[in-house]
Amino acid sequence: KNEVEQSPQNLTAQEGEFITINCSYSVGISALHWLQQHPGGGIVSLFMLSSGKKKHGRLIATINIQEKHSSLHITASHPRDSAVYICAVTSGGGADGLTFGKGTHLIIQP
Amino acid sequence: EAGVTQFPSHSVIEKGQTVTLRCDPISGHDNLYWYRRVMGKEIKFLLHFVKESKQDESGMPNNRFLAERTGGTYSTLKVQPAELEDSGVYFCASSRISRGRYEVYEQFFGPGTRLTVL
Repeated sequence: KNEVEQSPQNLTAQEGEFITINCSYSVGISALHWLQQHPGGGIVSLFMLSSGKKKHGRLIATINIQEKHSSLHITASHPRDSAVYICAVTSGGGADGLTFGKGTHLIIQP
Repeated sequence: EAGVTQFPSHSVIEKGQTVTLRCDPISGHDNLYWYRRVMGKEIKFLLHFVKESKQDESGMPNNRFLAERTGGTYSTLKVQPAELEDSGVYFCASSRISRGRYEVYEQFFGPGTRLTVL
């Protein structure tokens, strides 16, 4: 059974700061997912990755398969980035259900 | 393309009553998942359908929970009888079919159903 740990659990930062959220897992995976949930909103997939690095706008996700670790970075953070960021992994077959971390509550203050 | 929809958005019932949650996946998505988040805890997997077949129901808490996906389209999750600890947000997600371990597709989530059992 995969254990997914995220850190920090809560993060408050000032607008413009560089944000890093970390995720580690215990067992080899098929893919790692970064998800976002705004207050009162639904869950949206930001990235799905199995190696290397992906970038979308101000968001960057990296993964180190050997170290079983991934990071989500936000550059030039903005108050609209305030949300819960969730790391989840697909451990077995490609279509297996996800195993989730507890999430990181991010607040960006203007 | 319409997203994943769930009904109802909220449900408040009394302990011992029955509730049925519905999920309509994205058209053409053969994989359908049910997840649940209980207050203060991480989201947890309940079960996975491939078309109308249950692929994995290892996350179902107990036999008070019954999921169906007749015809391989929409799915229902029935809780009977509901208990206090069943309160939480129930999410449904869907994805395209994958042909192997390393073919992973993004899961698209519905808005969730908030269930409160009093």
